[in-house]
Amino acid sequence: SQQGEEDPQALSIQEGENATMNCSYKTSINNLQWYRQNSGRGLVHLILIRSNEREKHSGRLRVTLDTSKKSSSLLITASRAADTASYFCAMSGNEKLTFGTGTRLTIIP
Amino acid sequence: EAQVTQNPRYLITVTGKKLTVTCSQNMNHEYMSWYRQDPGLGLRQIYYSMNVEVTDKGDVPEGYKVSRKEKRNFPLILESPSPNQTSLYFCASSFHRESTEAFFGQGTRLTVV
Repeated sequence: SQQGEEDPQALSIQEGENATMNCSYKTSINNLQWYRQNSGRGLVHLILIRSNEREKHSGRLRVTLDTSKKSSSLLITASRAADTASYFCAMSGNEKLTFGTGTRLTIIP
Repeated sequence: EAQVTQNPRYLITVTGKKLTVTCSQNMNHEYMSWYRQDPGLGLRQIYYSMNVEVTDKGDVPEGYKVSRKEKRNFPLILESPSPNQTSLYFCASSFHRESTEAFFGQGTRLTVV
């Protein structure tokens, strides 16, 4: 299994600050995706970065990918209370989409 | 509305009583999969299907069965549930293979006593 590991496991920041989450994985990938989950509900796709890309932006989200280090980071800028959720990276490869263990983000109003 | 629908949302059952969790998508997606989510372990893939009549094991397939007779449906079958299968289950679909955006159902919380 190439399950990824995310760091930190939990993160609490003040509203308006930036939040950074990191993901490391073990084997080669086609792409890496980030998902968000609100308290026990279904996951929602946020952004996809291909293996030949190094950085991608979507609104307040910025994702980087370093295939040489097998790592990715998700930056959420100007955080809002509504960003409180769990965030998961997911590695695509060998017909499987394999998820990391997640980062629980809490935004303090 | 494009969606993945799972049923039931909540289920309490007894050890050994066969059950089926249904999953249906209305987006004509080829790839469908089942995950279980447990605290501290993230989401682990149980089975996946690349298309009709094509299924394969994920990382934790023991104790589960699936079928893909139609493109839209991908039921998860527990022939003889055990307490260690108590978990939150998610069905997901994506247009093509695993490399495109996945759409998730709302989850089925299963308790086996």
